[in-house]
Amino acid sequence: QKEVEQDPGPLSVPEGAIVSLNCTYSNSAFQYFMWYRQYSRKGPELLMYTYSSGNKEDGRFTAQVDKSSKYISLFIRDSQPSDSATYLCATSGGLYNFNKFYFGSGTKLNVKP
Amino acid sequence: DAGVIQSPRHEVTEMGQEVTLRCKPISGHDYLFWYRQTMMRGLELLIYFNNNVPIDDSGMPEDRFSAKMPNASFSTLKIQPSEPRDSAVYFCASSFRGRSSYEQYFGPGTRLTVT
Repeated sequence: QKEVEQDPGPLSVPEGAIVSLNCTYSNSAFQYFMWYRQYSRKGPELLMYTYSSGNKEDGRFTAQVDKSSKYISLFIRDSQPSDSATYLCATSGGLYNFNKFYFGSGTKLNVKP
Repeated sequence: DAGVIQSPRHEVTEMGQEVTLRCKPISGHDYLFWYRQTMMRGLELLIYFNNNVPIDDSGMPEDRFSAKMPNASFSTLKIQPSEPRDSAVYFCASSFRGRSSYEQYFGPGTRLTVT
């Protein structure tokens, strides 16, 4: 079993839609949760991060972590064509293995104008 | 800052040949990571260094793969001999153990094709 499982997509939505991207993880020791965005032929770049459970909002983006169910979500409001990319969730192993990131396989999102 | 620099951007080689991928991390960063990305397996951590010392190489697939970091501004990932199943995009990333240490900065990647 992979440490992080992610809905495979691809996901196609009309401009302005609310997008929900989801992951599950296996190890309850994970404490840091991140969402990276990867445009075609580019390296991933950090979009948002959260520590432990709860929500974090940044503009049109909201990251949510439910540690009881080991579930990670990213919501995009008022989606734009420029949001079209692959979204990767990631977790890290906590205090003693913080820098070892485990990535989901990515969900490809296409926002149609 | 120019960001993480990787070379070459594309590499096509024949099975059995040696391949060397290069990375220059962001100046001042003390962690360096090598990842491999494929459609089947996604983004996988191969090895990472802290202050030029390898910390975790458990993701290196087999002895054909080796990585070095001779100084703070340069790292190599070598595959010898290469095989078609090594075809993937290889990313180098760096980070600084500070307030934003959850953020790894990725390079543009090297697209490797082994025929």
